[in-house]
Amino acid sequence: SQQGEEDPQALSIQEGENATMNCSYKTSINNLQWYRQNSGRGLVHLILIRSNEREKHSGRLRVTLDTSKKSSSLLITASRAADTASYFCASISSGSARQLTFGSGTQLTVLP
Amino acid sequence: DTAVSQTPKYLVTQMGNDKSIKCEQNLGHDTMYWYKQDSKKFLKIMFSYNNKELIINETVPNRFSPKSPDKAHLNLHINSLELGDSAVYFCASSQDVLRQFFGPGTRLTVL
Repeated sequence: SQQGEEDPQALSIQEGENATMNCSYKTSINNLQWYRQNSGRGLVHLILIRSNEREKHSGRLRVTLDTSKKSSSLLITASRAADTASYFCASISSGSARQLTFGSGTQLTVLP
Repeated sequence: DTAVSQTPKYLVTQMGNDKSIKCEQNLGHDTMYWYKQDSKKFLKIMFSYNNKELIINETVPNRFSPKSPDKAHLNLHINSLELGDSAVYFCASSQDVLRQFFGPGTRLTVL
């Protein structure tokens, strides 16, 4: 079964605006990661947040994690056309085999 | 100097054929993976190998057989291809499962 559900499924914004994507998961996790996939390419790791962290920053990225609500959000500030891509959350369940389970992804389009 | 490479990038074939996809990583990672991404971009793990040993084998038809000749290579062989096998297949590697490095993908189209 699919571990993560992301919303929105698609998001279209103007360059310079902020983009927020949300991810919900079902089981207890050790950490949660976000990946980006440009069209026709493989996934690229963006950021990891551990279950004992609530917020993490990396450049224009800000990730939050709420383990009580089993949800995470990815905020991209001052978006650029080059940020256009699909964004996926991925998690490793507590006690599971060494396996990442991916969410359904959000397609972000940043219009110039 | 590509970290994770796959060949071919595109594969178009007839139903019933047998085909292979090759993957190589030059990152020195111990673990390699195969994922299948469907038309809705849902990504699902198929197999995971650690130091040439199978450690994850999700529910995939036994027509799919991974082969790892050494820890830098993980190939995927598919027998008797079916229409539903059409998808993008990604190879990935990691030193630990926390951060995975993905290949560019192989788009398989079964006619």
